Amino acid sequence: GDSVTQMEGPVTLSEEAFLTINCTYTATGYPSLFWYVQYPGEGLQLLLKATKADDKGSNKGFEATYRKETTSFHLEKGSVQVSDSAVYFCALSEGGGYNKLIFGAGTRLAVHP
Amino acid sequence: GAVVSQHPSRVICKSGTSVKIECRSLDFQATTMFWYRQFPKKSLMLMATSNEGSKATYEQGVEKDKFLINHASLTLSTLTVTSAHPEDSSFYICSARDPGLLYNEQFFGPGTRLTVL
Repeated sequence: GDSVTQMEGPVTLSEEAFLTINCTYTATGYPSLFWYVQYPGEGLQLLLKATKADDKGSNKGFEATYRKETTSFHLEKGSVQVSDSAVYFCALSEGGGYNKLIFGAGTRLAVHP
Repeated sequence: GAVVSQHPSRVICKSGTSVKIECRSLDFQATTMFWYRQFPKKSLMLMATSNEGSKATYEQGVEKDKFLINHASLTLSTLTVTSAHPEDSSFYICSARDPGLLYNEQFFGPGTRLTVL
């Protein structure tokens, strides 16, 4: 079945460092891909999405590009802030819309001043 | 953005008792709500999809008689864990779909931590 694999955390960075969180997927069709973020004490929030190959999702300085050839959707940010400390989840949905979501295990990011 | 609440945020109960968790969409009407379960350091696993006014659709391997889901109104879905046992201890998260938005985005509640003694 479909699955999502993301790098284990925690990831610990200093403020203004470059961030990469790897995410790869296995799917039978052509899924939509998502990154969700969960700040402490809050629910998951959609961070960005891409619905087809080569699409780049971006939001709040974060970017991820849908790479069909490598089945990847790595999350990047050029300069992280302390406020970016959270748990990040990669997810996929078959069918192109916001249907059933399949999540990765989540990666905790801690940014220190 | 749309807000989804869950109550309670954490609950501790004795083995054999039943626990009800509420999921509410606060500022939109959710025709569809989803219930997830999350184990420590594991991904969210979809348990069931509930549609207002109809029976929930359970994922393979989820016991429908143990995890009762009721979606009686457009703003409220409840998950009842019946005859809870320690292995049911987990973090339960709901999400609600806003049909008024493009792509029917899901909005997530903050989760409920269940501990069964």
